[in-house]
Amino acid sequence: AQKVTQAQTEISVVEKEDVTLDCVYETRDTTYYLFWYKQPPSGELVFLIRRNSFDEQNEISGRYSWNFQKSTSSFNFTITASQVVDSAVYFCALSDLTQGGSEKLVFGKGTKLTVNP
Amino acid sequence: DGGITQSPKYLFRKEGQNVTLSCEQNLNHDAMYWYRQDPGQGLRLIYYSQIVNDFQKGDIAEGYSVSREKKESFPLTVTSAQKNPTAFYLCASSIMGEAGELFFGEGSRLTVL
Repeated sequence: AQKVTQAQTEISVVEKEDVTLDCVYETRDTTYYLFWYKQPPSGELVFLIRRNSFDEQNEISGRYSWNFQKSTSSFNFTITASQVVDSAVYFCALSDLTQGGSEKLVFGKGTKLTVNP
Repeated sequence: DGGITQSPKYLFRKEGQNVTLSCEQNLNHDAMYWYRQDPGQGLRLIYYSQIVNDFQKGDIAEGYSVSREKKESFPLTVTSAQKNPTAFYLCASSIMGEAGELFFGEGSRLTVL
């Protein structure tokens, strides 16, 4: 069965610090997608990134960067120079293309990030 | 603006009552989903639908029912058979083929008194 583990339940940092959110996944499939979502206090989840299993290149988007390593089944998320607005719960998720891709996502339990001024 | 609208935002129910949560989208998405979120837990899939008049059970469908009579609407009924219904419910939609890029509503918080 597919599984996503986010070992860090809560992280607290001071503004401008860098912070890395860990995500480890388990799947037997060779084709899959990995995701990160952000859930601010308002409640709705916001899509941040999708990475397919064939693309191990790291990605950077502004202060956000993602490190995908198939060898360790990890898809970690780093926020550089954190800001108070980054405070949210962040979810890592895994999809299964062989079952249609858009059908199901398996989510980790989330990491609550608090950025203090 | 395009998006997903869930209502009501907060709902209180007495034990033994059924309650229906509304989810409407104007994104013209084919696929729609219902997730349940409990404190400290991830999101768990209740039901999903990829086309009108068709839907599939997710991981925790027991005690819930859905319908998909229109592309824009995917209401969720929490029945009295659901043993622990107090939770935060999130509706989402996606374009078929855009694996996993879900658009979420703001959620409905159900409390059973």
